[in-house]
Amino acid sequence: EIVMTQSPATLSVSPGERATLSCRASQSVSSLLAWYQQKPGQAPRLLIYGASTRATGIPARFSGSGSGTEFTLTISSLQSEDFAIYYCHQYNNWPWTFGQGTKVEIK
Amino acid sequence: QVQLVESRGGLVKPGGSLRLSCAASGFTFSDSYMSWIRQAPGKGLEWISYISGSTRYTKYADSVKGRFTISRDNAKNSLYLQMNSLRTEDTAVYYCARSHQRLIEVIEYWGQGTLVTVSS
Repeated sequence: EIVMTQSPATLSVSPGERATLSCRASQSVSSLLAWYQQKPGQAPRLLIYGASTRATGIPARFSGSGSGTEFTLTISSLQSEDFAIYYCHQYNNWPWTFGQGTKVEIK
Repeated sequence: QVQLVESRGGLVKPGGSLRLSCAASGFTFSDSYMSWIRQAPGKGLEWISYISGSTRYTKYADSVKGRFTISRDNAKNSLYLQMNSLRTEDTAVYYCARSHQRLIEVIEYWGQGTLVTVSS
């Protein structure tokens, strides 16, 4: 099973600032990586797939990069609605697995 | 508008059984891969099973293989998860989910989730 490790566990950021979230895979997943956003009490929402392709309706301030084992989700200028938990997800090998999440909180 | 509505979960004793259902609307259900993904309280996400639109393909995580069965009724636009031999570690919110139309491995739509608690 591929283990996904996200860092940091919590990221404190001021509104308007840039946030950079990392995700590392225990073995190569090529570019078969997605990012999801989850707010308290809500289901997750797809942000990025294929490591860098934004899903339908996702604002351009969200961008993804990386391949192999190292990936990054960048939120260029945090808005109030962006404070949430973010999960990376590999779909190169079954079982498709998720990271443990990075919580982005207001500084 | 895509909607996925899970049935109510509940409290079950260890060793017991429970069947979850998910009513789908707003898309061509029979064309879509569907999944169940769970989230233990305060924990991350675990993809436990998926099923193809035709029901030809199913897959299970090792943690539920042999105990859980995924199925669907395309005439009723419904997805099911039969859970047997439940364990305390199966306590979680269970999400019904629809795959992206071009990438079955990516979830594009999620239900709101239903809580299953396994406890004596």
